[in-house]
Amino acid sequence: GAVVSQHPSWVICKSGTSVKIECRSLDFQATTMFWYRQFPKQSLMLMATSNEGSKATYEQGVEKDKFLINHASLTLSTLTVTSAHPEDSSFYICSARDRGTHGEKLFFGSGTQLSVL
Amino acid sequence: QQQVKQSPQSLIVQKGGISIINCAYENTAFDYFPWYQQFPGKGPALLIAIRPDVSEKKEGRFTISFNKSAKQFSLHIMDSQPGDSATYFCAASINTDKLIFGTGTRLQVFP
Repeated sequence: GAVVSQHPSWVICKSGTSVKIECRSLDFQATTMFWYRQFPKQSLMLMATSNEGSKATYEQGVEKDKFLINHASLTLSTLTVTSAHPEDSSFYICSARDRGTHGEKLFFGSGTQLSVL
Repeated sequence: QQQVKQSPQSLIVQKGGISIINCAYENTAFDYFPWYQQFPGKGPALLIAIRPDVSEKKEGRFTISFNKSAKQFSLHIMDSQPGDSATYFCAASINTDKLIFGTGTRLQVFP
């Protein structure tokens, strides 16, 4: 299947700092990427839809000023958690849609575990 | 209407047995139904997916059964192995747009 690379795998930061997470589609172009959040032993909750060259669409209840999303190219989307607080500690996962090579499927990155102290 | 209900929450199966996980949805506009496998600390990996124009799809030991009229679909894992022990999520979407996930099933396969 297609490869979606997510970096970093884990990050520990102090409260009040900002953290950037990168999501790259390695072997296909992704006009649309999705960002999810997952708490321990729970399901994935969609945070926002990232569209190349345009503003992200956020799900209800997700603060767009806190979770900044940039999709500047067809292979890269970034999620920046601004002024992180302990309650932002979670597993963040990106997904990319491949509408070409692999027959329109959604592939996920390996996730980023964020711990805010 | 956007919910996808998944059961059971956990499942214990003996090696060689069949694991069955069920999902139900409400939104008839959904047209893409994938299953994902997730190991601890990792992102979900696509196992198999189906569209509503077929009632069954098989890939190796994994089979999706789809019942459009009942708005239900299920994952069958044949000859379950200890390496299959993971959390499984069903999902649904419209045009492979944003996925709505089920609550997950933790599968444990004992030797």
